[in-house]
Amino acid sequence: EPEVTQTPSHQVTQMGQEVILRCVPISNHLYFYWYRQILGQKVEFLVSFYNNEISEKSEIFDDQFSVERPDGSNFTLKIRSTKLEDSAMYFCASSKGNRVDTQYFGPGTRLTVL
Amino acid sequence: AQSVTQLDSQVPVFEEAPVELRCNYSSSVSVYLFWYVQYPNQGLQLLLKYLSGSTLVKGINGFEAEFNKSQTSFHLRKPSVHISDTAEYFCAVSEPQGGSEKLVFGKGTKLTVNP
Repeated sequence: EPEVTQTPSHQVTQMGQEVILRCVPISNHLYFYWYRQILGQKVEFLVSFYNNEISEKSEIFDDQFSVERPDGSNFTLKIRSTKLEDSAMYFCASSKGNRVDTQYFGPGTRLTVL
Repeated sequence: AQSVTQLDSQVPVFEEAPVELRCNYSSSVSVYLFWYVQYPNQGLQLLLKYLSGSTLVKGINGFEAEFNKSQTSFHLRKPSVHISDTAEYFCAVSEPQGGSEKLVFGKGTKLTVNP
């Protein structure tokens, strides 16, 4: 069964450094998402992406964050200058269509900012 | 804005016992409702979803949930749990009418099934 994959599984970085989290969505999916979960808190929506542009973003997704689909398979989340409070589990998801279609989630990347 | 409350952060049960995981939501418009499960070191997997129609929704692994609009609830149930059901369960809501695709999640309930 096709699945969403994410790399790395765990990333440790120093405050102020740039990080890129990578995701490979399911191949025939058109909608892509990033969510994050700070330890002990809810899974929170960050951004959705369709047709090579952001379709929706949350208040969390400020200028420090960007997303890109650099080729036909990868979907990346970049954090330009990491802060301590960016430490979280980051989940990528994809769906065939929007709204009624199931969002399939990857296993997550645990980002630790020191 | 919509929100989801999962009152129980942890639910321990014995194998073959029934279980109910509670979920309440708040929203001013029609919603879609979801239950996801997360096994250790894995991603979130959809158990079931309510979009419209019958309020009783059956999902994978013997789980079902009932949408109750008057109580704004979407509780998850299973009549007899197995050790393998030990996982974290997340309730989520979306508001399709507003054009949004995002899922809004509860904090999750850790279900532990003991022998």
